[in-house]
Amino acid sequence: AQSVTQLGSHVSVSEGALVLLRCNYSSSVPPYLFWYVQYPNQGLQLLLKYTTGATLVKGINGFEAEFKKSETSFHLTKPSAHMSDAAEYFCAVSDRGTYKYIFGTGTRLKVLA
Amino acid sequence: ETGVTQSPTHLIKTRGQQVTLRCSSQSGHNTVSWYQQALGQGPQFIFQYYREEENGRGNFPPRFSGLQFPNYSSELNVNALELDDSALYLCASSSGTSGTVGELFFGEGSRLTVL
Repeated sequence: AQSVTQLGSHVSVSEGALVLLRCNYSSSVPPYLFWYVQYPNQGLQLLLKYTTGATLVKGINGFEAEFKKSETSFHLTKPSAHMSDAAEYFCAVSDRGTYKYIFGTGTRLKVLA
Repeated sequence: ETGVTQSPTHLIKTRGQQVTLRCSSQSGHNTVSWYQQALGQGPQFIFQYYREEENGRGNFPPRFSGLQFPNYSSELNVNALELDDSALYLCASSSGTSGTVGELFFGEGSRLTVL
């Protein structure tokens, strides 16, 4: 069965510092991979996705993620954190051809002034 | 383009009652999925509807049921509410013909509190 592991339920970074949120998945075949952001009392907004092709994908708000098949990872990065990046981030995986997502437990990002 | 809308945004029920949550999918989308997000957890897949038929179900009991209508809007019904049903219920729509393969578009959710 597929699963998603997000290391670190809480991550704090200083404003302007590198953001690194970790995501590892288990799947027998390369799945589709997603990162979503959730602001308080709101739904989920797609940051970026990997389906096929280039393994480094760029998303909104300056975020990017790299699919590494050998490491079964899809870590999210942003070179310089902004206060507005404070939110909860979810990594998700889905089998190709389905819309059933398996979500990780989330990482709450705190940005310090 | 209208996004995914859900109603009500908040509601409080007591144990044993029944609840109906509603979702209007994004324009042009024919697939609706429902997720339950308990406090401090990631969303968990409940089920999915495609062209008015259930097309996949997660590990939820039969008292969780749904409908999809010809206009692709959807309802989630939960009978015999339990305290553990307290959660944010998220609706998401998608369309295999949109070119956005595998992408779900989420509404802002309905927050259910069971007392």
